[in-house]
Amino acid sequence: KQEVTQIPAALSVPEGENLVLNCSFTDSAIYNLQWFRQDPGKGLTSLLLIQSSQREQTSGRLNASLDKSSGRSTLYIAASQPGDSATYLCAAPIYNQGGKLIFGQGTELSVKP
Amino acid sequence: DTAVSQTPKYLVTQMGNDKSIKCEQNLGHDTMYWYKQDSKKFLKIMFSYNNKELIINETVPNRFSPKSPDKAHLNLHINSLELGDSAVYFCASSQLPGGNSGANVLTFGAGSRLTVL
Repeated sequence: KQEVTQIPAALSVPEGENLVLNCSFTDSAIYNLQWFRQDPGKGLTSLLLIQSSQREQTSGRLNASLDKSSGRSTLYIAASQPGDSATYLCAAPIYNQGGKLIFGQGTELSVKP
Repeated sequence: DTAVSQTPKYLVTQMGNDKSIKCEQNLGHDTMYWYKQDSKKFLKIMFSYNNKELIINETVPNRFSPKSPDKAHLNLHINSLELGDSAVYFCASSQLPGGNSGANVLTFGAGSRLTVL
């Protein structure tokens, strides 16, 4: 059974800091892992999708890594900005049921100016 | 040009009522989903339809009945609403139903917040 855990649950940092969000999963038989952003009152925006054959994916100031052997993924945000404030969720698909995503509880990020 | 649109965005109703949430996607995707986000912000899949056919049905009370008139629409009807049904319901779509063939990026709607009094 796949379980996804995110640490920390909440994080507050001053603007400009680099930060790392952590995601752990119990079943390493995944073929991808996805990071989402959720803004209050809005839907989920897909940030990065890492295939199991990849170790990293980058988009702008965001870099996501995947280590299947240890059951971990990290989302690195460089030079954080107040506009980065949101809840970040990671999700892993159930093996052979790709659309059935198992989500972590999310990390609520607050970047203070 | 909203990709996945849900209506209504907010819904407040009394216990025991029946209500529906509608979802439409204009991405040409074959697969649509309903996810539920509870008060602790925990997201969990409820249903998935591929080209109008049910492919995922989690352990959801049978008061919840999804309906897919065509592959671009997946509506959620809830009978005899209970306090515990209060949540944000997200619709999503993807090109493929999944499997292990590779990328299966889900596009989510903005969510429909249901409050049962």
